[in-house]
Amino acid sequence: KNQVEQSPQSLIILEGKNCTLQCNYTVSPFSNLRWYKQDTGRGPVSLTIMTFSENTKSNGRYTATLDADTKQSSLHITASQLSDSASYICVVSAMDSSYKLIFGSGTRLLVRP
Amino acid sequence: DTEVTQTPKHLVMGMTNKKSLKCEQHMGHRAMYWYKQKAKKPPELMFVYSYEKLSINESVPSRFSPECPNSSLLNLHLHALQPEDSALYLCASSQDRRGPQETQYFGPGTRLLVL
Repeated sequence: KNQVEQSPQSLIILEGKNCTLQCNYTVSPFSNLRWYKQDTGRGPVSLTIMTFSENTKSNGRYTATLDADTKQSSLHITASQLSDSASYICVVSAMDSSYKLIFGSGTRLLVRP
Repeated sequence: DTEVTQTPKHLVMGMTNKKSLKCEQHMGHRAMYWYKQKAKKPPELMFVYSYEKLSINESVPSRFSPECPNSSLLNLHLHALQPEDSALYLCASSQDRRGPQETQYFGPGTRLLVL
């Protein structure tokens, strides 16, 4: 069964600190993996997208990694800001079903001053 | 323009009302999606349109009726909803090239409350 699991479920950090969010997946055949940021009550915004051959992708203070062998991904946030408070969702797509995204349950991040 | 717009932002309706949610994109995308998202849960796929034809219906109750008048517009008609249908309704679009770089772009959502 195609699944995406994220950890931790929630995280509180102080402004300016770094943090790393984890994503494990069992999706086959793998197409791509995306990290989305979702503010409360708003639509998800794509941060990064990685295919099988890519093992790292950066977008400003966000850096995503992908290990296709172990089927793990991480999202590292550097020098956190208050505006980083949001849910971060790991989303995986399978080759044979590009319309149906497999969503993780998300990590709720709270950045405190 | 990498934006998907949705109207209205908020909607309150009674169980006997008929209302419609609207979604628009001008990115030339040929696939459009409706999702339902409950609080603290990931989005759940409802419908997919590909080249203006309904491609996927995830066994959604008939009180939800999608419509794709053209490649830029997607509607969701609502009728006789139940309180449990209260949720954030998200529209998304993608190029529909079905390659590994395919990315769905989400709109801001419509917050629906059914009384």
